[in-house]
Amino acid sequence: GEEVAQTPKHLVRGEGQKAKLYCAPIKGHSYVFWYQQVLKNEFKFLISFQNENVFDETGMPKERFSAKCLPNSPCSLEIQATKLEDSAVYFCASSPSEDRRGQYFGPGTRLTVT
Amino acid sequence: QKEVEQNSGPLSVPEGAIASLNCTYSDRGSQSFFWYRQYSGKSPELIMSIYSNGDKEDGRFTAQLNKASQYVSLLIRDSQPSDSATYLCAVLSVSGGYNKLIFGAGTRLAVHP
Repeated sequence: GEEVAQTPKHLVRGEGQKAKLYCAPIKGHSYVFWYQQVLKNEFKFLISFQNENVFDETGMPKERFSAKCLPNSPCSLEIQATKLEDSAVYFCASSPSEDRRGQYFGPGTRLTVT
Repeated sequence: QKEVEQNSGPLSVPEGAIASLNCTYSDRGSQSFFWYRQYSGKSPELIMSIYSNGDKEDGRFTAQLNKASQYVSLLIRDSQPSDSATYLCAVLSVSGGYNKLIFGAGTRLAVHP
């Protein structure tokens, strides 16, 4: 597609439950990025993929967060045993191979952990 | 020191004026710089990119880059109330061979009629 698609739009989970978010990048874009936005404007990089391969996972809290980008499937970000501080908007972005052209963001998934 | 710094604002300008948004960054090796606009409750929208020192113009927007001073700015001419949003400066970090955007905290712009 011409836009990054993310589902669901909103997700509410009780503390300790699992949350799974999905992202379909723009067709033809090789790179997929996940960012977490808390407190309105604080963006935190989580992980990036080049096609189905993890490219950079230096931002991931690995004990509870995992992510995949499998061929012919939406990418996913999964949080096991959610905590209150995981409440945030999770944005997926994609970029073409030449990433100097910038990253294009999806509408985000708002995760609320209660 | 934060990697990318912006004045949080709000920056209030009258309709029709020039809005000037500023950003400094700490990684002297950075090569690619972006401005995103984010309306409340929405996702960031890429509005400008700049890689070379000097000015780059696109419609009412001009991005300026000074790598020696590690400074990026965005000018919005003929500001409109619809320009009221948070403007995020983002720097592409390529440390360790990886590429990821490092965002500033954003400057909130308010254009009043």
